[in-house]
Amino acid sequence: NAGVTQTPKFQVLKTGQSMTLQCAQDMNHEYMSWYRQDPGMGLRLIHYSVGAGITDQGEVPNGYNVSRSTTEDFPLRLLSAAPSQTSVYFCASSYYQGGGYGYTFGSGTRLTVV
Amino acid sequence: SQQGEEDPQALSIQEGENATMNCSYKTSINNLQWYRQNSGRGLVHLILIRSNEREKHSGRLRVTLDTSKKSSSLLITASRAADTASYFCATPLPTGANNLFFGTGTRLTVIP
Repeated sequence: NAGVTQTPKFQVLKTGQSMTLQCAQDMNHEYMSWYRQDPGMGLRLIHYSVGAGITDQGEVPNGYNVSRSTTEDFPLRLLSAAPSQTSVYFCASSYYQGGGYGYTFGSGTRLTVV
Repeated sequence: SQQGEEDPQALSIQEGENATMNCSYKTSINNLQWYRQNSGRGLVHLILIRSNEREKHSGRLRVTLDTSKKSSSLLITASRAADTASYFCATPLPTGANNLFFGTGTRLTVIP
């Protein structure tokens, strides 16, 4: 049981390049989400999904696309990387835990856009 | 301003002392959660407290919730160097769908 797996762990992109951050979970959680973490700003929600085939925007969706073709996978695509997208990206899946939904996080992808 | 902000921003204590972190939020919630993040790692779920609970314990952790003041506190007793981490409270976003809002966190340093 690996939990939430994110790849790659580190990535450097040039401005204008595109790439996909991978996220997979093996816990059969319906809910998955992507956050970015910047110094002094906490975590901000980018996109989320409540199940296969269903996605929606979070607080900061511009410049990112997602899809959810299976319950296990929730990739995040950067369409045309910009320096403002330099950040640490976390994927999470959610499970019911007696009164609310707790999150299991991946270990993150540290992205630098130059 | 946003839902869920932690206070203080940073806290430094000696090993063996207790550490208290606070969280304030704006809107009504049905639960509040605390997470820990070690440097360079993902967040780890510590505890969830429901809106009808006032206090909850888990090992050396004690969480309180005061819905009338819209605040919560996390107490770590008998701290250890391994408790050094950032601690975040998380509250449900009004958008629903299990979305959580995370504050900027409290950076705890436990000095051996």
